[in-house]
Amino acid sequence: AQSVTQLDSQVPVFEEAPVELRCNYSSSVSVYLFWYVQYPNQGLQLLLKYLSGSTLVKGINGFEAEFNKSQTSFHLRKPSVHISDTAEYFCAVRGQGAQKLVFGQGTRLTINP
Amino acid sequence: DADVTQTPRNRITKTGKRIMLECSQTKGHDRMYWYRQDPGLGLQLIYYSFDVKDINKGEISDGYSVSRQAQAKFSLSLESAIPNQTALYFCATSDPTGGGNNEQFFGPGTRLTVL
Repeated sequence: AQSVTQLDSQVPVFEEAPVELRCNYSSSVSVYLFWYVQYPNQGLQLLLKYLSGSTLVKGINGFEAEFNKSQTSFHLRKPSVHISDTAEYFCAVRGQGAQKLVFGQGTRLTINP
Repeated sequence: DADVTQTPRNRITKTGKRIMLECSQTKGHDRMYWYRQDPGLGLQLIYYSFDVKDINKGEISDGYSVSRQAQAKFSLSLESAIPNQTALYFCATSDPTGGGNNEQFFGPGTRLTVL
């Protein structure tokens, strides 16, 4: 079975500052990793995903994430955030051969002007 | 037009009432899912279906039932609603043929309040 821990429930940052949202997972098998974003009053949409290959993955809206197998992490980063990045961010994992996605608890990113 | 739609978007009901939440998709995906979202808990899987004849329980299926009426339709029912079922409910779809990706596509959600 897989599990996901998002280490911060809330992250406040100032506009144009860098941000990192942390995600750690556990799994006894190889994994696929995802970050989803949920804007206020909307459903979830895929931000980026790691399936295989390069450990640095680039997504939409200037976000990127790095898969670190030794630390079982998949942290999400953006070098300069905007007010429009205010949302809740979910990390998710699926083990190879598993049928279901397992979601983390979510991190609420708040951008202050 | 949205690929995954949910009706209703908001619903307020009373304890003991039967409620049905509906999900339709135009993506042509075989797999469909129902999740509930509670603050601080992320998304928890209620039920999932890999085709019209395949229904599976998720982590928190007690108090819920589902019906897969067609490839494009997957309904969630609360036979006798209780206040702790107050939550945001999401439907999702996926296509497993994309190289093991199984990326899920979400509807806009249904906010359910049980008084």
